[in-house]
Amino acid sequence: GENVEQHPSTLSVQEGDSAVIKCTYSDSASNYFPWYKQELGKRPQLIIDIRSNVGEKKDQRIAVTLNKTAKHFSLHITETQPEDSAVYFCAAANRDDKIIFGKGTRLHILP
Amino acid sequence: DTAVSQTPKYLVTQMGNDKSIKCEQNLGHDTMYWYKQDSKKFLKIMFSYNNKELIINETVPNRFSPKSPDKAHLNLHINSLELGDSAVYFCASSPGGEQYFGPGTRLTVT
Repeated sequence: GENVEQHPSTLSVQEGDSAVIKCTYSDSASNYFPWYKQELGKRPQLIIDIRSNVGEKKDQRIAVTLNKTAKHFSLHITETQPEDSAVYFCAAANRDDKIIFGKGTRLHILP
Repeated sequence: DTAVSQTPKYLVTQMGNDKSIKCEQNLGHDTMYWYKQDSKKFLKIMFSYNNKELIINETVPNRFSPKSPDKAHLNLHINSLELGDSAVYFCASSPGGEQYFGPGTRLTVT
């Protein structure tokens, strides 16, 4: 079955700098790659997603890249702000909509 | 206007008891899920139902039994609760792709 590895588990960046979180997946049939943000005590919420027919997608300060050949995808957050502090999860899903999540990255934005 | 709701929000109970968590969505989605998030924040899929039919059943002890009376509801019943069942349980619904999560139920087994 699908296995999703996510790195790093913890990331601290200075406010205003960029943050990058990387994930790899094992199932070449996976075709949907969402990223979720979970603030303390809250539910996970989708921030951006990408499908396998696209290599890159951007939404304001957030971008995701996908390399299907290497089976890895990354989340990039530019000009980080205090409200970006949260746990971020990558995930991979196939046509059966079974979503497998990475183990999460705790992002700290330092003042 | 709550899209995905769960009850209760908190549940504290003793080992050996049986408890249920209820989930309802008003988004008209065909697919609903149960996830378990443990103390390390790992988010793992447990079950998925599509239009009242079980389609995903991960390696979960058979003390956990989901029930979907209609496509807007997916309840989770847990028998003989154990300490290791303590976690936050999230319900979610999806039209295909994005998961819409409920607020979570924090279960504490003492």
